[in-house]
Amino acid sequence: DTGVSQDPRHKITKRGQNVTFRCDPISEHNRLYWYRQTLGQGPEFLTYFQNEAQLEKSRLLSDRFSAERPKGSFSTLEIQRTEQGDSAMYLCASSQHSGQGDSPLHFGNGTRLTVT
Amino acid sequence: GENVEQHPSTLSVQEGDSAVIKCTYSDSASNYFPWYKQELGKRPQLIIDIRSNVGEKKDQRIAVTLNKTAKHFSLHITETQPEDSAVYFCAATGGRSQGNLIFGKGTKLSVKP
Repeated sequence: DTGVSQDPRHKITKRGQNVTFRCDPISEHNRLYWYRQTLGQGPEFLTYFQNEAQLEKSRLLSDRFSAERPKGSFSTLEIQRTEQGDSAMYLCASSQHSGQGDSPLHFGNGTRLTVT
Repeated sequence: GENVEQHPSTLSVQEGDSAVIKCTYSDSASNYFPWYKQELGKRPQLIIDIRSNVGEKKDQRIAVTLNKTAKHFSLHITETQPEDSAVYFCAATGGRSQGNLIFGKGTKLSVKP
């Protein structure tokens, strides 16, 4: 078990550019979550998948954000036409959901996005 | 929408003292309440969790209590040590499917030796 891995660790981009982040969950986990965290705040929920199905998306999430998990394993989060307000740490987490309940969320180290 | 309030935002204690952090939640359907510890520049890590069918859970120096009627839960750390210094986040399940976690804003705990 290598844990949740995210790539890249850091991304600096200019306003208006598109960026894409990748998350590889713990292999046996069927749920994958994306969160965003800014300095001094708790993680803010963006969206989550169970296998390849996107089950929920935050109502606060802009249309510029899209996430996919095409084969139910790794996931990508794309931000189009980035804005300075998108600067944050983007955290991925995974868990195992079953009829007996859910395992805790395990977080990755995050991708830090800076929009200049 | 769902909301999780956390207090205090900062907490400073002497080594060996106890620390208590309190959270309230708004969604009466919430059924799972984890606590995460986040050290500077690191990922949030689960330290303890409690489900809605339990009122209290303890793991060595850490305990969590849950009052579903009042919709609040608390983290208790006894015999604090300098390595307990970090930001602590409470969370509660939320959303249409109760599948995601709603986090509080965090409590920065400083343990002075």
